[in-house]
Amino acid sequence: AQSVTQLGSHVSVSEGALVLLRCNYSSSVPPYLFWYVQYPNQGLQLLLKYTTGATLVKGINGFEAEFKKSETSFHLTKPSAHMSDAAEYFCAVSEDNFNKFYFGSGTKLNVKP
Amino acid sequence: SAVISQKPSRDICQRGTSLTIQCQVDSQVTMMFWYRQQPGQSLTLIATANQGSEATYESGFVIDKFPISRPNLTFSTLTVSNMSPEDSSIYLCSVLGHTTNEKLFFGSGTQLSVL
Repeated sequence: AQSVTQLGSHVSVSEGALVLLRCNYSSSVPPYLFWYVQYPNQGLQLLLKYTTGATLVKGINGFEAEFKKSETSFHLTKPSAHMSDAAEYFCAVSEDNFNKFYFGSGTKLNVKP
Repeated sequence: SAVISQKPSRDICQRGTSLTIQCQVDSQVTMMFWYRQQPGQSLTLIATANQGSEATYESGFVIDKFPISRPNLTFSTLTVSNMSPEDSSIYLCSVLGHTTNEKLFFGSGTQLSVL
């Protein structure tokens, strides 16, 4: 089975600052990687995904993530944080032809004015 | 995309009772999943529910505790049976998108508290 590790259960940044949320995975096969976001009182929404092709993927709301095979990482970044980015972010990896998804424990992002 | 309606959104239950959570999708989907989201922990897959067959449970989860129904391609229920405080959690229904199965869609969850 695959596993996903998200370093930092809580991250706090100032508005306008760089956002960096870390995700490392373990996998014996090429992974499919995802970031989901959960706003308060809402379901999880897909932010971005990597399946094949370009290792730098762009998602909604200015977020992007880079798949680094040598580091088994898929860190999420955004150049300039906005107050509306405050949410919980989950990294996920899929195997078995998308029949199973494994999630990290989540990182709550707080954006300070 | 898929729109998922899940209810109840929250409930407070007594120890030893059971709660059934409903998940309704606005389109036909092959695979539906039930997850548990505990504070500070990963989303954990409970089981996969396919229409016309018994649900497939992950390690640590059993049918007697979490019976699942999947009567058609748009609906599923998860029952949390004989509840204890350890069952307090958020329970999430999710489906794979039918146009691109690379994407999971989630309901807004059921927050369960067991006293």
